[in-house]
Amino acid sequence: EIVMTQSPATLSVSPGERATLSCRASQSVSSNLAWYQQKPGQAPRLLIYGASARATGIPARFSGSGSGTEFTLTISSLQSEDFAVYYCQQYNNWPLTFGGGTKVEIK
Amino acid sequence: EVQLLESGGGLVQPGGSLRLSCAASGFTFSSYAMSWVRQAPGRGLEWVSGISAGGSSTYYAEDSVKGRFTISRDNSKSTLYLQMNSLRAEDTAIYYCAKVTGSPHYWGQGTLVTVSS
Repeated sequence: EIVMTQSPATLSVSPGERATLSCRASQSVSSNLAWYQQKPGQAPRLLIYGASARATGIPARFSGSGSGTEFTLTISSLQSEDFAVYYCQQYNNWPLTFGGGTKVEIK
Repeated sequence: EVQLLESGGGLVQPGGSLRLSCAASGFTFSSYAMSWVRQAPGRGLEWVSGISAGGSSTYYAEDSVKGRFTISRDNSKSTLYLQMNSLRAEDTAIYYCAKVTGSPHYWGQGTLVTVSS
């Protein structure tokens, strides 16, 4: 099983600042990596797939990068609606696996 | 518009069984692998089980559900299923039907399963 490790667990950021979230895979997942945003009481929302492709309707302030085992989600200028929990997920191999999540909170 | 509509959740006693269903529409269901993902209260996302497009291959989270849960699909009805037996308190969660391989990814709104006496 591929273990996905996200860091940090919590990120405190002021509105308008840049946020950088990391995700590491225990073995290569190529570019088969997705990022999700989840707010309380809601289903996860796809932000990024293929490590760097923005999903339909996702603002340009969200960007993904990386391949192999190291991935990054960057939010260039945090808006109030961006404070949420973010998860990475690999879909290169079964079983599929998720990271433990990064909570982005208001500083 | 893509829709994944889960049903079948509810309250069940420890040791009991439930069958979840997921009705898909808006995409070619029979062409894609599908999964069940769960989220326990206050916890992160956990992939539970997956099935290939044609249904011939199935996959399970080894330690948590293998041997107790069975995934299946009926492509003629565009429906995904999860048969859950020998339920435990730790199976309490929202269960999401999802297409989380390839691109794009789709999720349902989830159905709540509560295992309690």
